[in-house]
Amino acid sequence: QVTLRESGPALVKPTQTLTLTCTVSGFSLSTSKVCVSWLRQPPGKALEWLGRIDWDDATYYSTSLETKITISKDSSKNQVSLTVTNMDPVDTATYYCARSLGVAAGFDSWGQGTLVTVSS
Amino acid sequence: DIQMTQSPSTLSASVGDRVTITCRASQNIDHWLAWYQQKPGKAPKLLISKASNLETGVPSRFSGSGSETEFTLTISSLQPDDFATYFCQQYNYLYTFGQGTKLEIK
Repeated sequence: QVTLRESGPALVKPTQTLTLTCTVSGFSLSTSKVCVSWLRQPPGKALEWLGRIDWDDATYYSTSLETKITISKDSSKNQVSLTVTNMDPVDTATYYCARSLGVAAGFDSWGQGTLVTVSS
Repeated sequence: DIQMTQSPSTLSASVGDRVTITCRASQNIDHWLAWYQQKPGKAPKLLISKASNLETGVPSRFSGSGSETEFTLTISSLQPDDFATYFCQQYNYLYTFGQGTKLEIK
């Protein structure tokens, strides 16, 4: 059974750095064509794709956020990490990790999401 | 960046109705389009990929069509479980989502 689970702080202060972890099971992050993306959804709003890391460690980022975001993975721990610097209240959102199989594919499996609130 | 525009933003319908949601891309995305269903407090669920390919386990009342810049999601006969928010997503170049269509009970 394929599962993804996000973990990390629920509350961060403005200007702080957020680090979230996505722990996966039921598949390997090293298997060819496996890609894991991070997405977010502000309350009541649309989904926004943040970035992706592929089986071969290639990374891709949203052009509007590429200076704020870093994605990495540790295949031995089955974990993908997201780092967002200089957090702002507009970054308040539910953050999701999701899997796609191939670079031209939809997101077939998602974590349950984790709400991150940015407030002093 | 490729922009995705969905319409309508809200749709009121009754059980048994046939409904259609439209998604327009700001440039040609061929058939690289997916549709998702999202219920409150839950992660999105992939319904359709490559514009018209139904994912395993998704009821056949859901269908997708279109290519290049114009796409539609049709639910042939609404069931109570279908009232949710639907998003389109392009993956021709990176990823962009539409703003969503909330399907409400009339």
